[in-house]
Amino acid sequence: LAKTTQPISMDSYEGQEVNITCSHNNIATNDYITWYQQFPSQGPRFIIQGYKTKVTNEVASLFIPADRKSSTLSLPRVSLSDTAVYYCLVGPLLYNFNKFYFGSGTKLNVKP
Amino acid sequence: GAVVSQHPSWVICKSGTSVKIECRSLDFQATTMFWYRQFPKQSLMLMATSNEGSKATYEQGVEKDKFLINHASLTLSTLTVTSAHPEDSSFYICSARRQGGMNRGLANTEAFFGQGTRLTVV
Repeated sequence: LAKTTQPISMDSYEGQEVNITCSHNNIATNDYITWYQQFPSQGPRFIIQGYKTKVTNEVASLFIPADRKSSTLSLPRVSLSDTAVYYCLVGPLLYNFNKFYFGSGTKLNVKP
Repeated sequence: GAVVSQHPSWVICKSGTSVKIECRSLDFQATTMFWYRQFPKQSLMLMATSNEGSKATYEQGVEKDKFLINHASLTLSTLTVTSAHPEDSSFYICSARRQGGMNRGLANTEAFFGQGTRLTVV
């Protein structure tokens, strides 16, 4: 599975847009990019998933360049409740037995 | 959406005893489930893959006799921490993937995680 590299931590203020970048230089052709959010003492929660270009849903956008060696999670106008750890995962998703390995994640701290 | 539920949410046990944690997929069948362990301020570490009707497969370095996994049905996997010791105290999280179909616009499977179980061994 492609190894991912993310910043360990980021600080932001309420109302700002936050962009978290993940590097995955060894991504394979059949790998997808998925981002999860985790609050303390809770299981991770799905945010967004993509394969290439741009994906947008009600909570975030995911930008993936043509070479797919990196991806950027964009959170518009963050609030205090967005303080969490964000994980970028890369891997095949075709089958339900495909495993997820977590990297170190990015601790986002949103300040008032 | 699909939900994965764990029970209990937290448990305290004495050193040397065994603890069972349940993971259920509530509205889909999960032939495969995954168990993770997370220590404070660390990432999730995959421990093992639970397979319905067959033996679990363990990640390197995880003791299979210590962490017993039973996937009794298509909606239930259990993790038993045997002869628990304080160093086994951790946050245990299960996950299941729903196979196939278009879900929220996704062409492939999405992983759902339980709420986690906080194990404290005293």
